[in-house]
Amino acid sequence: NAGVMQNPRHLVRRRGQEARLRCSPMKGHSHVYWYRQLPEEGLKFMVYLQKENIIDESGMPKERFSAEFPKEGPSILRIQQVVRGDSAAYFCASSPTHSNEQFFGPGTRLTVL
Amino acid sequence: KQEVTQIPAALSVPEGENLVLNCSFTDSAIYNLQWFRQDPGKGLTSLLLIQSSQREQTSGRLNASLDKSSGRSTLYIAASQPGDSATYLCAAPPPYGGSQGNLIFGKGTKLSVKP
Repeated sequence: NAGVMQNPRHLVRRRGQEARLRCSPMKGHSHVYWYRQLPEEGLKFMVYLQKENIIDESGMPKERFSAEFPKEGPSILRIQQVVRGDSAAYFCASSPTHSNEQFFGPGTRLTVL
Repeated sequence: KQEVTQIPAALSVPEGENLVLNCSFTDSAIYNLQWFRQDPGKGLTSLLLIQSSQREQTSGRLNASLDKSSGRSTLYIAASQPGDSATYLCAAPPPYGGSQGNLIFGKGTKLSVKP
């Protein structure tokens, strides 16, 4: 049973470009969570999704950021018009139900030049 | 609002020593608490999940306890090894009634075990 998969592992973008981060949850998991870890800071929750639905996006910046988890395919975290402050490690986690143990992927490290 | 604090921020011990990492949380109405390990530049590895009905969980040399009344959890590592060197993170969900998907993390304890 493969773990949570994220790609790409490293992503470099110039200011103003778009970044798309992908997350495939563990088999049998329908709950996906995105977290961001800024340099020298702790992990912060961004958004919680269940197939085709956003359950909680209270940690997501109001502009430029969006997330989806379609019926088929991976969850996508999309950052439009990236700025240097978006440089961070973005982690995806999944769980079988909302109150169960969360399993994390290896992360995508975004660098904005 | 749930807040999670971990003490100490960093810890350096000689190999073989037993050690305790501390985690405190402000709202005790939680379903569970989870401990993770993060190696530099890597993702998080789940170590232990303690349900609110449990007082402790064990996995190998690791033992985690949960005291909801005092808002504390501890991670005990027995006979530490250099391979245990990593940052250890504690995470709690919001209290009952809040979105249970939102884990709130402490800033971690960076452990270094010297050979």
